[in-house]
Amino acid sequence: ETGVTQSPTHLIKTRGQQVTLRCSSQSGHNTVSWYQQALGQGPQFIFQYYREEENGRGNFPPRFSGLQFPNYSSELNVNALELDDSALYLCASSLDGTHQPQHFGDGTRLSIL
Amino acid sequence: DAKTTQPNSMESNEEEPVHLPCNHSTISGTDYIHWYRQLPSQGPEYVIHGLTSNVNNRMASLAIAEDRKSSTLILHRATLRDAAVYYCILNNNAGNMLTFGGGTRLMVKP
Repeated sequence: ETGVTQSPTHLIKTRGQQVTLRCSSQSGHNTVSWYQQALGQGPQFIFQYYREEENGRGNFPPRFSGLQFPNYSSELNVNALELDDSALYLCASSLDGTHQPQHFGDGTRLSIL
Repeated sequence: DAKTTQPNSMESNEEEPVHLPCNHSTISGTDYIHWYRQLPSQGPEYVIHGLTSNVNNRMASLAIAEDRKSSTLILHRATLRDAAVYYCILNNNAGNMLTFGGGTRLMVKP
């Protein structure tokens, strides 16, 4: 069973640029969630996708957007990067249904200069 | 989601049991209690969850107070690999959108 994989593992961008992060969900999982984790803090929920549609969103501005593909893989796009966007971005996949465990990847470390 | 309160850090000796507390005095009747842990340089990992009754799995046990205002994650025999940040999360939505707090950093001494 292949777990959740994210790419790239590390990325450096400058302010104002755009970035796309990718996530391959665990086999059989149809729900993907994205989280942002600043240094020394717990992860913060960005949004969730289920069957290619956004299924819930946290307190993040519209410049954070996403996609889910028919194979349930997903992308997180961030436009107009700001210094505060520097963080670890985590993807988690799960089966649909109540209180299914989420399976996390090891994240993409994004640094904004 | 209701808020949880956990100690910032705890220490344990290897091969001894560890009891990680979590207070959630404003828990609602539909809130499930979830525990995740995050090992260094890794994403969070699901540990266990429950509603009212105590729960056991291969990783840990979850003891839930009768009034549900607190719970305790029990690692029966700590190993060095159990050193991690442990998050106690209340979740009442079927969409599994987790709200993480600061967690408890567990240090395990050999």
